[in-house]
Amino acid sequence: QVTLRESGPALVKPTQTLTLTCSFSGFSLSTSGMCVTWIRQPPGKALEWLARIDWDDDKYYSTSLKTRLTISKDTSKNQVVLRMTNMDPVDTATYYCARSVFTGPRHFDSWGQGTLVTVSS
Amino acid sequence: DIQMTQSPSSLSASVGDRVTITCRASQTISSYLSWYQQKPGKAPKLLIYAASSLQSGVPSRFSGSGSGTDFTLTINTLQPEDFATYYCQQSNRTPWTFGQGTKVEIK
Repeated sequence: QVTLRESGPALVKPTQTLTLTCSFSGFSLSTSGMCVTWIRQPPGKALEWLARIDWDDDKYYSTSLKTRLTISKDTSKNQVVLRMTNMDPVDTATYYCARSVFTGPRHFDSWGQGTLVTVSS
Repeated sequence: DIQMTQSPSSLSASVGDRVTITCRASQTISSYLSWYQQKPGKAPKLLIYAASSLQSGVPSRFSGSGSGTDFTLTINTLQPEDFATYYCQQSNRTPWTFGQGTKVEIK
C-alpha cells in the first residue's frame, strides 16, 4: 500500500523560506520510473503543479516559480523535501505531494492528505 | 507550458443526470490526460488515466474519452456523492499542468 504524508510549518512569515517534507512508504524512489511531485492549492482555487523529482534524480520546476524552488530526495529515508524561498501571502495554500510512475500513463495515483501553509506576519 | 482549459467552470445538475465536462489542451498531449475528483478538505482522487482508463475501484458510471487536444469526462447517472470539483491534468510535457476545475453542484 502506497502512502504519502506532508509535514512542515503551518505558519511562515513573509520573506522566510518554507521547507516541506513528504514522507512515503510502499514504494522506493530508487526504483526506475518512480516520481514524486509537489502540488499546491490556494484556498478556493485550482491545483498548481510545483516541482517533480525522478528516480534518477532529475528535477523539474514550475516555470513561474523555478527561481524560488528546490526539490531533493533522501532515498534511504523515503523522503522528498521541497524548499520555497521568499514566501509571500499569495503562497498561502494547501501543499500536496503525490506519486506517479513515469514509465507509463504518468498519472498521480497516490496523494498525501495535504498540509496547509499560511503566510502571514 | 501547456495550458489546460476546462468547460464549464461550474454546472448544476440533478441526481440521475448525465454530466459531461470537457478539457482542451493548448497543444497535442497524445493520451497523457488524467481526471481527478476533489471534495472539500480532501486530496484529489484519481478517476481516469490515459484519457479513458478507469482507475481501480472507481464506479463505471465515470468514463473518459479523447486524444490529441480534446478530452471529455462523462458521469452517467449522477449520484449524490459525485457532487465535487473535477480537474483534468496533462502529463505529456513537463510541467504537468492542471485545468482550472469544474464544480458540479446540486440543482
